[in-house]
Amino acid sequence: QTVVTQEPSFSVSPGGTVTLTCGLSSGSVSTSYYPSWYQQTPGQTPRTLIYNTNTRSSGVPDRFSGSILGNKAALTITGAQADDESDYYCVLYMGSGISVFGGGTKVTVL
Amino acid sequence: QLQLQESGPGLVKPSETLSLTCTVSGGSISSNGYYWGWVRQPPGKGLEWIGTIYYSGTTYYNPSLKSRVTLSVDTSKNQFSLKLGSVTAADTAVYFCARHSSGSLFDPWGQGTLVTVSS
Repeated sequence: QTVVTQEPSFSVSPGGTVTLTCGLSSGSVSTSYYPSWYQQTPGQTPRTLIYNTNTRSSGVPDRFSGSILGNKAALTITGAQADDESDYYCVLYMGSGISVFGGGTKVTVL
Repeated sequence: QLQLQESGPGLVKPSETLSLTCTVSGGSISSNGYYWGWVRQPPGKGLEWIGTIYYSGTTYYNPSLKSRVTLSVDTSKNQFSLKLGSVTAADTAVYFCARHSSGSLFDPWGQGTLVTVSS
């Protein structure tokens, strides 16, 4: 089964920029995988940030943006703030009704 | 405003069947183009898609769980349900239901319910 890969952790300074990626163990991610991104703090329900590669969910600040970078989907946080410290998950649509989550990236703001 | 709420036992014995229901309010489960999914998260671990169902009854399952999972829908009650058989401690997790649309969009989510598998 195809594995969706994410960096285990990232650290960013307040006001800094960080780009998280979402790849495949085999092959390249394209818009055809409809990548989406979720933010989750411990004990909370996931919050939708981005869907269909680069569409921001309602109420999500524009410092969050989605794209395809090379052969991966990417989530960029520009001007990181303290409350961006969370776990971030991507999910890809594999076709035939199958969705696969990545393992998540823990982002620390310090 | 669409809301989802999971319900079901919080404790299940090993080898038995885990059963959860998700009640949808503020909208119809029969809305065209929207599917309904289940996602779980073991304590301290990541999210895992379990399966998705359309109001017509069409189902899609995670291949790694397919042999043990059954999804169903009750449009008269605006609910959909999850059954996971032959559970072990590895199935202990918070189980979320969510509307599933546009490829990989899960939104909104239910608040989640913790199910512990233990004797």
